[in-house]
Amino acid sequence: QQQVKQSPQSLIVQKGGIPIINCAYENTAFDYFPWYQQFPGKGPALLIAIRPDVSEKKEGRFTISFNKSAKQFSLHIMDSQPGDSATYFCAASRGGSNYKLTFGKGTLLTVNP
Amino acid sequence: NAGVMQNPRHLVRRRGQEARLRCSPMKGHSHVYWYRQLPEEGLKFMVYLQKENIIDESGMPKERFSAEFPKEGPSILRIQQVVRGDSAAYFCASSKSQATYEQYFGPGTRLTVT
Repeated sequence: QQQVKQSPQSLIVQKGGIPIINCAYENTAFDYFPWYQQFPGKGPALLIAIRPDVSEKKEGRFTISFNKSAKQFSLHIMDSQPGDSATYFCAASRGGSNYKLTFGKGTLLTVNP
Repeated sequence: NAGVMQNPRHLVRRRGQEARLRCSPMKGHSHVYWYRQLPEEGLKFMVYLQKENIIDESGMPKERFSAEFPKEGPSILRIQQVVRGDSAAYFCASSKSQATYEQYFGPGTRLTVT
């Protein structure tokens, strides 16, 4: 049972392109949706996150779009750079007494110079 | 460095040995989550601890795995009688309080079972 489905599995873009990574969730109790960036041999780093009361959030070149009715959210990277090449994970959690994260399987992004 | 610290970064164990993984949360954080990352897979939740309490261990295998977060010192994930299937990267994350969504991850411990 995969509660958060992420696509595509891998993605190659040219420098300056706008890669888009998509996630879909099943549990309507989720109310926090972060994206993590992971470089080889490193731990995941929190990139940007959104709550379901907004449809879009921007931080620098990173934008999350959120569609509550479709139970989908996506990450857009504007003006992508080779340094953005990494694995990106979407995740979801619910509040209350336990904020454990349920992760997607990840997207390996390669930005060519 | 005020980030989450994990040690060792790499650990090699033979089948049947014990593995102990340590995690020191960020300063001011008292909540620790452990996740396991298998090759080509996302991270899977294992256990959530607060100081001296296990809050949720629903992701932990029933046998051989245990975790603790004592009043003093780091959180420890212990794997007894390791098998090759335990080979993975183990990450801990910390958060500030019970009502905080944001989790910050450590660099991980890469466990290899030979």
